[in-house]
Amino acid sequence: GAVVSQHPSWVICKSGTSVKIECRSLDFQATTMFWYRQFPKQSLMLMATSNEGSKATYEQGVEKDKFLINHASLTLSTLTVTSAHPEDSSFYICSARRREGATDTQYFGPGTRLTVL
Amino acid sequence: QKEVEQNSGPLSVPEGAIASLNCTYSDRVSQSFFWYRQYSGKSPELIMSIYSNGDKEDGRFTAQLNKASQYVSLLIRDSQPSDSATYLCASRPGDSNYQLIWGAGTKLIIKP
Repeated sequence: GAVVSQHPSWVICKSGTSVKIECRSLDFQATTMFWYRQFPKQSLMLMATSNEGSKATYEQGVEKDKFLINHASLTLSTLTVTSAHPEDSSFYICSARRREGATDTQYFGPGTRLTVL
Repeated sequence: QKEVEQNSGPLSVPEGAIASLNCTYSDRVSQSFFWYRQYSGKSPELIMSIYSNGDKEDGRFTAQLNKASQYVSLLIRDSQPSDSATYLCASRPGDSNYQLIWGAGTKLIIKP
């Protein structure tokens, strides 16, 4: 199967600091990765689409200067939450797009739980 | 506005019975459909994908697609307490080659 990892799995930080989250596709190359956010008991919310070698595409209402995305290789995308505040506390989940023949599927990482104090 | 709709539930099913989860989509030209399972506090896990009209079976799971009626369903046979989770339905719109449109999910509870 397709394996996607995320690091760290959880992080606690002080308000005003920055946090970097890594997303890696371990057994396939992913030209496209996605970053989602999920608040408790709510549905997935797509934040941005990350394309290898180009700028990320952000969804409406997501601040690109606050949520910095870098997709420098075919197996790694990073999300940096800059100047984090308590309202940024959430479950951040990445997914990687895998294309095999006629199939085109997203596989999710295990998620990163961010708590901003 | 392209949408995928699911009943939020909870859907309660006795252990051993068949659980039936339904999903409708608005984009008539969508070609790909996916069911993910999400346990509380965890990330979604792909269960099945379906691209053609009809049924697709994988173990205890059967996905059904009816493009004329624009609905997708997931049947879980011999339901187990470990199947208790939120099930997310997603479609890939006809004008997108990668992004998915997500339903809000149906919470399924299997009662022992």
